[in-house]
Amino acid sequence: DTEVTQTPKHLVMGMTNKKSLKCEQHMGHRAMYWYKQKAKKPPELMFVYSYEKLSINESVPSRFSPECPNSSLLNLHLHALQPEDSALYLCASSQESSPRLFFGEGSRLTVL
Amino acid sequence: GQQLNQSPQSMFIQEGEDVSMNCTSSSIFNTWLWYKQEPGEGPVLLIALYKAGELTSNGRLTAQFGITRKDSFLNISASIPSDVGIYFCAGQHLSVWAPGNTGKLIFGQGTTLQVKP
Repeated sequence: DTEVTQTPKHLVMGMTNKKSLKCEQHMGHRAMYWYKQKAKKPPELMFVYSYEKLSINESVPSRFSPECPNSSLLNLHLHALQPEDSALYLCASSQESSPRLFFGEGSRLTVL
Repeated sequence: GQQLNQSPQSMFIQEGEDVSMNCTSSSIFNTWLWYKQEPGEGPVLLIALYKAGELTSNGRLTAQFGITRKDSFLNISASIPSDVGIYFCAGQHLSVWAPGNTGKLIFGQGTTLQVKP
């Protein structure tokens, strides 16, 4: 069982909707990540938070807005998405400066 | 962005056979990791390698960090049906293991493994 919990597991939204993806970990990790993954492709890094501060934004469109309310929680706010944004969104965490990432099961997003 | 060359792209084998896959890079890595992803799940870390030449096992899985620091392989012995999934290698450059680049991994394209009972 993964120790990184993501909700919801599935989300269907229209292009005018606003929704959020949530991620929680209780491993005491101080780095948290959002990845986007298309079918049969490797995960693509979107954002990295280190000690609750955004440290990496991989030129992600502003319709994706991350938030890290505390060291255990990570949100991804979604607004005005496009159908091509449909994908599996993965949250991960790690100890600071460690390459060992622990992934959640992902949130499958479909944009109509 | 930069990607690792992972091969083969896919494998369809008989249960009981051994499997080998590898990743290569044109530049040096200081860490190699191997993940497995099953349908509908997130990637699960199998093995992490930190030193050139390091050979590490996890049950029927064995992985090695190439001596040149530019490659790694993963072997699965005596495959079973539950080994099916996509296996990703991931590496981290020396130059990016610095504050602000925590855990920035480069992933291979994946090897899809199917096992026939």
